[in-house]
Amino acid sequence: DTAVSQTPKYLVTQMGNDKSIKCEQNLGHDTMYWYKQDSKKFLKIMFSYNNKELIINETVPNRFSPKSPDKAHLNLHINSLELGDSAVYFCASSQRGGAKNIQYFGAGTRLSVL
Amino acid sequence: AQKITQTQPGMFVQEKEAVTLDCTYDTSDPSYGLFWYKQPSSGEMIFLIYQGSYDQQNATEGRYSLNFQKARKSANLVISASQLGDSAMYFCAMREGGQNFVFGPGTRLSVLP
Repeated sequence: DTAVSQTPKYLVTQMGNDKSIKCEQNLGHDTMYWYKQDSKKFLKIMFSYNNKELIINETVPNRFSPKSPDKAHLNLHINSLELGDSAVYFCASSQRGGAKNIQYFGAGTRLSVL
Repeated sequence: AQKITQTQPGMFVQEKEAVTLDCTYDTSDPSYGLFWYKQPSSGEMIFLIYQGSYDQQNATEGRYSLNFQKARKSANLVISASQLGDSAMYFCAMREGGQNFVFGPGTRLSVLP
């Protein structure tokens, strides 16, 4: 069983479209995250979501909106896609409050905006 | 200022040799955790090893060990007996208190046969 799964693995779309990436974790964790990895492999946190508390990274455009129907799911919706949104997006989860708070990652979604 | 520095963009190592990947960090928080992740060419992020700031001993996980020098704020990853499958990007990361992770820029390791 995959601990953190995200779909789709690849997403190719036109500029201006709206798209969503889904993420599910079966680890029983109560905190989930979205990261963006750019073409230089630099990983940056976008959002973290602990139960009903959403922590927004202020550098993320408001075209990006996370939605969490329950604590096992954290989806990422992107409006009006731009060329600069092309990247690999990773979902992760952790047990908040744990001593180690290790984050476990999904396999990533490679988004290409044409 | 960067919180995590990995000064080696790329490293080469001969198969079966040991290799050290450098990581230095910057924090004034007495409670923090240090992590190493591996990202092979397939793209997934794989957790390797963890070191807590209050841990007295260096962490070890199989062929991976962490050379933790608190006073120097360094947390180098040592891979012993390198294998071809160790070729990947390696990321050092830090969590301060209850805050989010901050990742370093990564080191690309290539293991030569």
